[in-house]
Formats: sequence, structure tokens, C-alpha cells
Amino acid sequence: DAGVIQSPRHEVTEMGQEVTLRCKPISGHNSLFWYRQTMMRGLELLIYFNNNVPIDDSGMPEDRFSAKMPNASFSTLKIQPSEPRDSAVYFCASRTGTVYGYTFGSGTRLTVV
Amino acid sequence: QQQVKQSPQSLIVQKGGISIINCAYENTAFDYFPWYQQFPGKGPALLIAIRPDVSEKKEGRFTISFNKSAKQFSLHIMDSQPGDSATYFCAAPRGSTLGRLYFGRGTQLTVWP
Repeated sequence: DAGVIQSPRHEVTEMGQEVTLRCKPISGHNSLFWYRQTMMRGLELLIYFNNNVPIDDSGMPEDRFSAKMPNASFSTLKIQPSEPRDSAVYFCASRTGTVYGYTFGSGTRLTVV
Repeated sequence: QQQVKQSPQSLIVQKGGISIINCAYENTAFDYFPWYQQFPGKGPALLIAIRPDVSEKKEGRFTISFNKSAKQFSLHIMDSQPGDSATYFCAAPRGSTLGRLYFGRGTQLTVWP
């Protein structure tokens, strides 16, 4: 099992540009979570999908953020337009319905200059 | 609103010593308390977890102690090793179902050889 796969690992972009982060969950996991990690705020849940359906997006900071899960094996988190304060490490995690623990990906380090 | 409060923020322990990290929670509906370990450049990984119907759970050198009446739980790392140097997060479920998690702010542990 390759685990949760995120791409890219690092992204540097200019303010105002569109950024798309990608995630492939573990096969058979039916829940997917996007988290953001910063020194100031720790790990924040942005959005959560169950069976490809968005369940809770209350953590999405602004309308500039959007997430999709078109099928069980792929999800994207998009920021448009990006701002320097969006700089953070973004994690994707997945889990099955029968296991409490999450499996996290290795994250995408986003830097907006 | 911080649902899970973790302390200390950082901890330095000598090799062979005991590392203790504490967490306090608010919501008595929480029914699962995991600890995650995160190494630099990696996503958090589930380390050990406890349910509130037991007061202690031990896995190797790692022990969770749980005090339901005080709404506190702690992680003890016995015989701490330099390889244990990492950031540790406590967590508790967010909502009554489906295993969404609130995370503490994290404790950066450094074990000196």
C-alpha cells in the first residue's frame, strides 16, 4: 500500500496565482480530509468528504478556497487567487469507516510570495 | 474555540528519561483519544489511542493515562530515545460520529543523547 499520496511536495507561487493541490487517498478509504498546518494555528481541518460528498467545509477560510472529490481515488484543493497568508503545509488524510485513526499524506508545503 | 488544550509546547529530555505530555478536553461526548507523532517533513502518524472506559493503555515504551473526571489524558514515553524526537499531537473526535478530529497545538520533544 503506497499510503496517501499528495502532490506536489513543494509549491512556490506568486500572489494572485491559482494553486491546485492534489491527493490520492488509500484505496478503500471512504473518508478524506484536508488539513492546513501553520505555526500560529496548528492543524486546522479545512474540509471533509465522506463517500466523495463534502460533509463539512466550515473550516475553509474564504471563498478563495475550494475542494473537489470527483471520484473515490482523487481530490483537489484549489486556492484562487493565492495570498502570502495562505503559506502553510497542507495535508490530506483518509480513513475507512471502521477505523478511527487517520492516515496522513506527507503534505504539500505551499509558499506564496 | 480550542477543544483540546495541550502542554507543554516544547520539551527537552535526556536520553533514558521520561517524557510527559498533557492534554485537557472540554467535550464530554468525546469517546476516543489518539496521539499522533510527526517527524519533520512528514505527516502525523497514529501512535497510540485510548477509549474513556479504560484508565491506561500501554504499547511498548508509550503509555496513555486517562482521567475521565478531570477530563485530562497524558502521554508518557519511558526510556526516551533520540529517535523519539518529534512533534506529538493529542486529538479528540470532532462531532459525535465519523471520527473527525480536533488536534492539540502540539509538543515538540527533543531527546538529548
